[in-house]
Amino acid sequence: DTEVTQTPKHLVMGMTNKKSLKCEQHMGHRAMYWYKQKAKKPPELMFVYSYEKLSINESVPSRFSPECPNSSLLNLHLHALQPEDSALYLCASSQGSVGTAAYEQYFGPGTRLTVT
Amino acid sequence: DQQVKQNSPSLSVQEGRISILNCDYTNSMFDYFLWYKKYPAEGPTFLISISSIKDKNEDGRFTVFLNKSAKHLSLHIVPSQPGDSAVYFCAASALRAAGNKLTFGGGTRVLVKP
Repeated sequence: DTEVTQTPKHLVMGMTNKKSLKCEQHMGHRAMYWYKQKAKKPPELMFVYSYEKLSINESVPSRFSPECPNSSLLNLHLHALQPEDSALYLCASSQGSVGTAAYEQYFGPGTRLTVT
Repeated sequence: DQQVKQNSPSLSVQEGRISILNCDYTNSMFDYFLWYKKYPAEGPTFLISISSIKDKNEDGRFTVFLNKSAKHLSLHIVPSQPGDSAVYFCAASALRAAGNKLTFGGGTRVLVKP
């Protein structure tokens, strides 16, 4: 089973709203990732969690707040977003993320976010 | 500065023929490379990977070739099937420097005609 699930599939929110994106995997992976993908562009890394600890933050604005409650779950809390934050938000997981071992990342289907 | 480039935004190929997708990189620290396939409204699906200690890796219809001196890799799909129509992303990581942080190319849209 190489499934990563994400909810919701679509989200429309206003600039003053607070919402959360959720990601779940049951593959025993110890690394989880958030990516942002704009139309006709490649995915861009936002955050990496390794063993439930934030290991990489790619200078993401504080209106995006990640959380890893346990090894299977990853949340992205959204607050005071801008219309330019509208994008597909992808979650991924891999067996590991640090060190020199290579791990394939498995992606979820994404949440299509529209900020109005 | 794009460290991973896919210079062909699109590719059209006849069913049964070979599809060749190309990818160039500039960062000499990259030592692990992956190809992903993406359908609309879905997340990228891992296809095949290659470590910098190899120059070829094969998995079924998919073969990835790596030319380190040219900083170039390619994905061959043979025979191409209509279900292969998708956007293909090349990705790279510098394992020794930054673990499994992936940098993606811009993607190549492949259309396989029946």
